Order: sequence, then structure tokens, then C-alpha cells
Amino acid sequence: SQKIEQNSEALNIQEGKTATLTCNYTNYSPAYLQWYRQDPGRGPVFLLLIRENEKEKRKERLKVTFDTTLKQSLFHITASQPADSATYLCAPYNQGGKLIFGQGTELSVKP
Amino acid sequence: SQTIHQWPATLVQPVGSPLSLECTVEGTSNPNLYWYRQAAGRGLQLLFYSVGIGQISSEVPQNLSASRPQDRQFILSSKKLLLSDSGFYLCAWRPQQVSGANVLTFGAGSRLTVL
Repeated sequence: SQKIEQNSEALNIQEGKTATLTCNYTNYSPAYLQWYRQDPGRGPVFLLLIRENEKEKRKERLKVTFDTTLKQSLFHITASQPADSATYLCAPYNQGGKLIFGQGTELSVKP
Repeated sequence: SQTIHQWPATLVQPVGSPLSLECTVEGTSNPNLYWYRQAAGRGLQLLFYSVGIGQISSEVPQNLSASRPQDRQFILSSKKLLLSDSGFYLCAWRPQQVSGANVLTFGAGSRLTVL
């Protein structure tokens, strides 16, 4: 069955550093991958979408890579700020398919 | 613009009592609708999704059910709650279009505590 793995341990980094979060998937070949941000007690909010033919996607301080050979996506936040502290969820999928999420990685940026 | 509403935001229910959570979407028509559950410290679990009125797909066998009586209304129900039903319930929608985007917009969530 399809499996999505994100680092279950919280990631703690210092303000100004680059945060890198990992999303690995097995047993399927998604054509797309999305990243969402979830704050405590709130619903997830869409951040970025990357397609299988796009190796990299950027949006302001965010960068996402998608390696279909490694079956992995990396999510980078450069010049991190305490306001970036949240849980980040990945969702690899195919067109028309249901969105299944990884368990998320909690990021904590310390001032 | 489109908006999604969920209620109630918080509820505490005894074991064995019924449940009804409601979700409505405004500003769009024929959306795809989803119910997810998030247990404490866990990821999102897809419970149900619907592509149209009366069309419900269940992802996880359990004592919950979903209904879509109107185009933009999605209801999550239970006849008898279990302790394990406690969690954060999220409704989400996306446009009914042939696209790779599949971007979901989530509601604010309903936190259920079963005692």
C-alpha cells in the first residue's frame, strides 16, 4: 500500500538558518506533490505544489524539490524566522486522486 | 470568493451519544468535499470524500458516516460515539475540475472530546 514518511521528530533550528524537511514515499509514483503548513488548532494551509517534471519550485523563502528516482521531496525554508514554527505536511498524489498526507514534521525556530 | 465553514468548533460528548458535524462551502458549485480526522500528535487520516450529492466514498471502516444532502453541505455523523472517536475533524474542499492542482482548502476544524 502507499506509504508516506516524514520525520516524526521535531526539527529545532536557530533563527536565520535554513530548515530542511524530508518527505519520502513508497509503493506508488505520484505525478504531483503538495506541501501544507498547519498551525496548532488550525486547518492546514496550502503552500506549494510541484509536478514530476519540475525538479525544483520556489516561492519567496520556500523551495521544494521533487526527486522521482529517490521518491523523495525536500522542503527548504531559508532565513527561517520564529513565525515559520509550525507543522509541515506533504501530500504526493496523482491527478484526480485522493489527497493522502504524511504525518507531518514539527518545525521550531528559536530566536 | 469561496469560504468554508465548520461547526461546532468544539464539543465534548459522552461515550454512546450521537454526533453531527456540519461543513458548508460558499462561493462555488459542485465541489469535491472531504472529511479528515487528526488524532492528538498524529497525521491527517482521510475518512470520507464526495464528488457530488449523495455520492460518498468511505476510506476507513468505523462507526462514522457521512452524508451530502446538498451540493455544498457535508455532514459527519455517528449514532454512538466511542472514546477512540476523539480528535480534530477537518472538512476540506477543492474545485470539481480536471486539473492536476487538487489543492485543498480546509475549514477551521471541529475538536471532539469523547468522555
